[in-house]
Parts: sequence; structure tokens; C-alpha cells
Amino acid sequence: QKEVEQNSGPLSVPEGAIASLNCTYSDRGSQSFFWYRQYSGKSPELIMFIYSNGDKEDGRFTAQLNKASQYVSLLIRDSQPSDSATYLCAARLYNFNKFYFGSGTKLNVKP
Amino acid sequence: KAGVTQTPRYLIKTRGQQVTLSCSPISGHRSVSWYQQTPGQGLQFLFEYFSETQRNKGNFPGRFSGRQFSNSRSEMNVSTLELGDSALYLCASSRGTSGGTQETQYFGPGTRLLVL
Repeated sequence: QKEVEQNSGPLSVPEGAIASLNCTYSDRGSQSFFWYRQYSGKSPELIMFIYSNGDKEDGRFTAQLNKASQYVSLLIRDSQPSDSATYLCAARLYNFNKFYFGSGTKLNVKP
Repeated sequence: KAGVTQTPRYLIKTRGQQVTLSCSPISGHRSVSWYQQTPGQGLQFLFEYFSETQRNKGNFPGRFSGRQFSNSRSEMNVSTLELGDSALYLCASSRGTSGGTQETQYFGPGTRLLVL
């Protein structure tokens, strides 16, 4: 079992809709969680991170964490074609500076 | 504040050769992690260096090695290159505080290595 699991997609949503990306993790020692966006041929870019149960909002992005269910999600409101990319979920273990990445979910936002 | 820089950006080598990649972290960051990214395997952790010491290691053969200098710059070396080593090599920097909940990694642009 991989430490972080994501559905590879592609997830297709129409422009203006809400895109919902999901991620599960296996190690309960995971302390903080990250969402990165990666455009084709580019390096991952940090969108946001979360470490407390509940929601965290940043502009059009909302990260949600449920430690009991070992579940992390990213909501993108008012999706734009420029949001089309692969979204990587990562978990960091408590007291270790080691990040585990999921395989990424490809998002397509159709105009 | 300048971001993470990596050199070279592109590299073509032949099987059996060796290669050295360089990474300069964000100013003030003492941790540098290296990753290999391929279409089939995704982003795989190679190793992490902090204060010139390897602190964490992934599951890669000994052909992959690294080091970190006193200014936190890091190099990664791959010896006896194989065709399967063709990949995007990414380095990421962070402050390196193990217990911090807000410890965050920032990636460099990557070095794309092609082994022929």
C-alpha cells in the first residue's frame, strides 16, 4: 500500500464549476498535508498546506482534512481552464522532514 | 526572495556515464530533498540533506548519491547511468525543522536528464 493514494483521473469539469480532488494517506503519524499543482513539463508549485482538522481557505482553493478518516481534499471553486494541471497530494510525517507524494490527479477544465 | 535554482536544466548522457546535478536552496533553508519523477513511477523520494548530513533516504540503489555543502547547496550524483535513469530530477528546499507543523517544501525547476 502506498503512503498517499490519489485517483489518477482525468477529472473533467466545466469552466466555472467546483473541482473536487481527493487523497487518502495510510500513516497516522502524518502531521501536515500539502497540495501542489504541476503543469506539464514544469515542476510542482505549492498551492496550500493544512495540518488541523477542518477546512482552510485561500482564494478559490479550500483544503479539507479529516484525520479520523485519513482523508484530505482540495476544492477549486470557479474552475478556470488555467487550472488544468496535475494536482499532487503530499503528507509529511511528524518529526521527520520526509514528504510522501501521491501519483497525482490530472484535472481538465473545459471552456 | 530568490527561489530554488537547479543546474543544468537539461542534460543528455549515454549509458555508463556519470552525472552531477546541482541545487541551490532558498536563502535560509537548510534542508534539501531530491526527487526523481518519471511518467510511470511518479514522484519518488531519493534523499534529504540537512546541515551537510543525509537525514532521510529513499529506496534507490547506491549509484545515486548526494552531498550538501556548508552553504546548504547540494549536489546529486548518479554513476553508471542506465536508460531507466531518464527522468526529471527535482530538488526541494525547506527550513528543515523536523517538529514544525508548517514545514513546507518548495521545488526548483528541475533537471531533465535523458540517457541514451
